[in-house]
Amino acid sequence: QSVLTQPPSASETPGQTVTFSCSGSTSNIGTNTVNWYQHLPGTAPKLLIYDNNQRRSGVPDRFSGSKSGTSASLAISGLQSEDEADYYCATWDDSLNGWLFGGGTRLTVL
Amino acid sequence: QITLKESGPTLVKPTQTLTLTCTFSGMSLSTSEVAVGWIRQPPGKALEWLALIYWDDDKHYSPSLKSRLTITKDTAKNQVVLLMANMDPVDTATYYCARSIIDDYGDPRWFDPWGQGTLVTVSS
Repeated sequence: QSVLTQPPSASETPGQTVTFSCSGSTSNIGTNTVNWYQHLPGTAPKLLIYDNNQRRSGVPDRFSGSKSGTSASLAISGLQSEDEADYYCATWDDSLNGWLFGGGTRLTVL
Repeated sequence: QITLKESGPTLVKPTQTLTLTCTFSGMSLSTSEVAVGWIRQPPGKALEWLALIYWDDDKHYSPSLKSRLTITKDTAKNQVVLLMANMDPVDTATYYCARSIIDDYGDPRWFDPWGQGTLVTVSS
């Protein structure tokens, strides 16, 4: 069971906006920046958002990240079928002295 | 362009030691503020961080697996090697290596890019 909590699944129709949450604690999200990764099965995970809200070069501005306290969020607006994937949050944990990944949220575009 | 590629056995027997190699190009582990990490994903499960090695040979391990893991680097060959001892069927997973950027405070910031991953099955 991951220390970073993400809902296991989400679904939304094309064109709409979906938001994923990532809940942690003071030793991880509360202290360090959060990254978001997109993972399609059978492919390499891709960095979408770093430093809480910075889009990696080449990532559409439909993707946005935010952080407040010990929680972080990823929003995808104007949903497209190609956005169907697993989304993971990640951050460094000062107590564990290591990286943490959330359990991932599987997005279904209806 | 930075690329990383994982290599190693596709099948190992229980109790054996797994040796995985990450070979990269377009970057150097002799450059400060660079690190390489290993992350795995068991079938149907989430990503799990395993280990991280810095340009200066500093190392970090997942606390839950620390006793079984060894990470080393060969700067001349542009390779990072991960050893995982006493393999068990629950270690069946796709293993990824990825570059990490280290900030001025010595903290790792993100993993990018990632290799394509290599599936390792543990079975007798």
